[in-house]
Amino acid sequence: EDQVTQSPEALRLQEGESSSLNCSYTVSGLRGLFWYRQDPGKGPEFLFTLYSAGEEKEKERLKATLTKKESFLHITAPKPEDSATYLCAAPTLNSGGYQKVTFGTGTKLQVIP
Amino acid sequence: EAQVTQNPRYLITVTGKKLTVTCSQNMNHEYMSWYRQDPGLGLRQIYYSMNVEVTDKGDVPEGYKVSRKEKRNFPLILESPSPNQTSLYFCASSLGGGGDTQYFGPGTRLTVL
Repeated sequence: EDQVTQSPEALRLQEGESSSLNCSYTVSGLRGLFWYRQDPGKGPEFLFTLYSAGEEKEKERLKATLTKKESFLHITAPKPEDSATYLCAAPTLNSGGYQKVTFGTGTKLQVIP
Repeated sequence: EAQVTQNPRYLITVTGKKLTVTCSQNMNHEYMSWYRQDPGLGLRQIYYSMNVEVTDKGDVPEGYKVSRKEKRNFPLILESPSPNQTSLYFCASSLGGGGDTQYFGPGTRLTVL
């Protein structure tokens, strides 16, 4: 069974205190690894897609990395506006060749001024 | 503006009263999907559609129906809603399957009494 597990469930940081969020996955036929940001009451907003081990992508204070078993979202010198829930997801192909997506339960990040 | 729209945004109904949540995208995407989001369980895929008249079950399809008669629309139908279907629902679309970025709607908060 495809699984995506995120840790920690919640993270509280002081403004400027860097940290990392973890996403470990066991899926068959992995077609990439997505990171999304979700603000309360809103739909997830796309951040990154990583396709192969060793790949890295950056956007402002965020950097996503991928290994064969897990992905990390590094947050450097976070600001209060980075507070949100961060989701990772793994799309896979089912037997019919079409996309099924498995999401982790997310890490709720709070950045305190 | 490229977007996924859902209606209604909020709905309170009673057990057994049929309802439809509409979803529309203006990006000419082939792939559309419905998710429900519950505390502690994350986003779970209900149904997805690879193109017009082509749909398949996700992880939690029981109690739901979908149809894809037009490329831009993908309504979610609850023929006899029950309280365990109280949840936050999201529609998403992507250009294709297999690792393409999904774009999410704003969500529909459904309460079944």
